[in-house]
Amino acid sequence: NAGVIQTPRHKVTGKGQEATLWCEPISGHSAVFWYRQTIVQGLEFLTYFRNQAPIDDSGMPKERFSAQMPNQSHSTLKIQSTQPQDSAVYLCASSLAPGQGAGAEQFFGPGTRLTVL
Amino acid sequence: GEQVEQLPSSLIVQEGASVLINCSYTDSASVYFPWYKQEPGKRLQFIIDIRSNMERKQTQRLTLLFDKKTKHLSLHITATQPGDSAIYFCSASIHTGGLSGKLTFGEGTQVTVIS
Repeated sequence: NAGVIQTPRHKVTGKGQEATLWCEPISGHSAVFWYRQTIVQGLEFLTYFRNQAPIDDSGMPKERFSAQMPNQSHSTLKIQSTQPQDSAVYLCASSLAPGQGAGAEQFFGPGTRLTVL
Repeated sequence: GEQVEQLPSSLIVQEGASVLINCSYTDSASVYFPWYKQEPGKRLQFIIDIRSNMERKQTQRLTLLFDKKTKHLSLHITATQPGDSAIYFCSASIHTGGLSGKLTFGEGTQVTVIS
């Protein structure tokens, strides 16, 4: 089991360019979460999906950021017109649905380090 | 919204000694508190969790205490080893009906175990 897979692991973009980050949750997990991690702000929640439906996007910057989950095997986070302050490690996590055993534990991917020059 | 605070921000401990990390939260609606460990260059790793209907949980060398009245948690690590060197994160979630909800994280505690 490779766990949560995120691609690419590193991405460098120029200011104003678009960045698309990919996440493949653990097979059978019904909830997918996006967070970002910076030295200054720490770990921040962005958005999450359950059974592919958007549930809470309260952490998403209102402009330029969007997330989708077109099928149960992957989710994407898109950042349009990237700015230097978007530089961060973007983390994806997945968890089981209720009734599937374990609990609400979220399993994290390795992250995508985005650098905006 | 929920705010989670951790203290100390960093600590150094001799191998074999114990470590205590404190965490406090503000939202009384939070009911699920997982802790994660992050080693350099590695992904966040779940280590222990507790729900608000419990006061104590123990796994191997980890003991997690929870005080609902004071909104305070403490993680105790005993018999520390060099492999325990990492950043430890406390988190809180409004987690109802068995559904996983968004996590609000503390700032982290950098633990360094020296031989």
